Amino acid sequence: AQKITQTQPGMFVQEKEAVTLDCTYDTSDQSYGLFWYKQPSSGEMIFLIYQGSYDEQNATEGRYSLNFQKARKSANLVISASQLGDSAMYFCAMREPGLSGYSTLTFGKGTMLLVSP
Amino acid sequence: DTAVSQTPKYLVTQMGNDKSIKCEQNLGHDTMYWYKQDSKKFLKIMFSYNNKELIINETVPNRFSPKSPDKAHLNLHINSLELGDSAVYFCASSRTRSGANVLTFGAGSRLTVL
Repeated sequence: AQKITQTQPGMFVQEKEAVTLDCTYDTSDQSYGLFWYKQPSSGEMIFLIYQGSYDEQNATEGRYSLNFQKARKSANLVISASQLGDSAMYFCAMREPGLSGYSTLTFGKGTMLLVSP
Repeated sequence: DTAVSQTPKYLVTQMGNDKSIKCEQNLGHDTMYWYKQDSKKFLKIMFSYNNKELIINETVPNRFSPKSPDKAHLNLHINSLELGDSAVYFCASSRTRSGANVLTFGAGSRLTVL
């Protein structure tokens, strides 16, 4: 079973509008972390935002916010006031304790966001 | 000053050859990783080292051998390259191996096997 599901292969948004990128996750652990990364066409992976499973407030970083709904196991990324430079692939990822106590980051398949003028 | 640097950025080689990708981080992080990104952009963990010790080894062919001479370096050596090894390989590091620590990625090394 997939640990991280991103159901939107691609999304289109007009400049200055807000957009929500969906992410649902599957874990039986109580302690875990959720991350969003951006990968522009140049290929580098850029960290955007983090949400811990025990954090009561939704994480925000500038124009990025994470809509964390624990009961629904969703961690959607909201980008406000989209800019042309936001066009990129966006990955949702989860970090959970491993069997040996060591954790790693498991990624979803990504959503390609295109921002039009 | 690049935080996580990988070399080379591009690598084109023939099937059957052996090649290495080097990774260095200057962040003082304890944990380093290798991820593979396939042609569909899917990222999958390959290995993780903590203070030079191998802690995660996913189902990766034996032809892939990571080496960590010190905690700032994690190199990836690949023997007998196959067509399916063509991918982008990302090195990453985090302060520790625990859950809240963000992974900082290198720029990636694109390997093309002909």
